Amino acid sequence: NAGVTQTPKFQVLKTGQSMTLQCAQDMNHEYMSWYRQDPGMGLRLIHYSVGAGITDQGEVPNGYNVSRSTTEDFPLRLLSAAPSQTSVYFCASSYGAGSEQFFGPGTRLTVL
Amino acid sequence: AQSVSQHNHHVILSEAASLELGCNYSYGGTVNLFWYVQYPGQHLQLLLKYFSGDPLVKGIKGFEAEFIKSKFSFNLRKPSVQWSDTAEYFCAVIANDYKLSFGAGTTVTVRA
Repeated sequence: NAGVTQTPKFQVLKTGQSMTLQCAQDMNHEYMSWYRQDPGMGLRLIHYSVGAGITDQGEVPNGYNVSRSTTEDFPLRLLSAAPSQTSVYFCASSYGAGSEQFFGPGTRLTVL
Repeated sequence: AQSVSQHNHHVILSEAASLELGCNYSYGGTVNLFWYVQYPGQHLQLLLKYFSGDPLVKGIKGFEAEFIKSKFSFNLRKPSVQWSDTAEYFCAVIANDYKLSFGAGTTVTVRA
């Protein structure tokens, strides 16, 4: 099993550009989530999904969209990138919402 | 949503010293509790978890944690640290709102 995979590993954007961070898992997990990690702030939940077709907002959803058309994939879209979105983004999946989460390797995003 | 507090931002220890990292959370209902570790350049991995039962839980690499419900705490301990324990440690809590909340993290540096 590949576990949780994320692409790209690194990305540099200019302010106002849009892009999609990809996340996929091959463990048939129902629950998937996106976090951003910033120094001194831990990980903050952006959006999460409890199953295909169901998504909800986390702690810091503004400026991000998600969709969950399949169990395997959970892409994160930045609509109009801003310097405040410079961060490391982690995708995670788990069997259920309260279960151990398995994290991807992360995407380091810089917005100029 | 619940909040999670980690008392120490940065801990510096010598090898063979004992380690204790504090974690408190704010939610008064039933919670699932986790400690995750992030080694330099790697993604998060689960150290241990508490769902129910014995409040003293043992995890990987000699770590253990004690859940004290009356104090809303889930402190992490290791009797004797090694240089390889240098990492960032995150406490996390999830309640019935499906949102996993992380503390800000504690950086542990172990000197040889």
